[in-house]
Amino acid sequence: QVQLVQSGAEVKKPGASVKVSCKASGYTFTSYDINWVRQATGQGLEWMGWMNPNSGNTGYAQKFQGRVTMTRNTSISTAYMELSSLRSEDTAVYYCASGAPFDYWGQGTLVTVSS
Amino acid sequence: NFMLTQPHSVSESPGKTVTISCTRSSGSIASNYVQWYQQRPGSSPTTVIYEDNQRPSGVPDRFSGSIDSSSNSASLTISGLKTEDEADYYCQSYDSLNWVFGGGTKLTVL
Repeated sequence: QVQLVQSGAEVKKPGASVKVSCKASGYTFTSYDINWVRQATGQGLEWMGWMNPNSGNTGYAQKFQGRVTMTRNTSISTAYMELSSLRSEDTAVYYCASGAPFDYWGQGTLVTVSS
Repeated sequence: NFMLTQPHSVSESPGKTVTISCTRSSGSIASNYVQWYQQRPGSSPTTVIYEDNQRPSGVPDRFSGSIDSSSNSASLTISGLKTEDEADYYCQSYDSLNWVFGGGTKLTVL
């Protein structure tokens, strides 16, 4: 069955960067875009951007442009989302999602930004 | 870019029918498909409706979706409410290389 397995929780200081991974299995990794969505505690879903695993092409929400980078390693069917210049407002659960369009979701990765 | 506006919360009794609306602020609701996601506390979202009115396999036919161009909105209707339907529901659509989520609606079944 299709699975997206994300890396574990992270605690970062303001100004640092975080890189979250998302390993896909159960389908051809290059078949669907990988999207990243975040959710602050008690808040709604916020789309961050997409990446085409085949071409590596990306598109980022305007809010995150300049701070987010989405990459992949096709040999291990893994996508990555790196967010830099972290601030307390970036504390959230980060999800990867794939499919047509968001059929499959990872389990989420909690990123806590605190001094 | 556009926004999708949902009611913050709705509540209804078991066995009844509830409808959650999702209004698009600009551009036509019919120009891009609408999806609906269910999210239970502590879990990742799951799709209950895709492409305006299609149900993924495994989603009961109590769930249905529609769009209304006159109000520029989409709706998720859940009939025969069960306590297990209590969750947050998010609509989603797309425009100009951007995905947009509604703010979410908390459904209480009491």
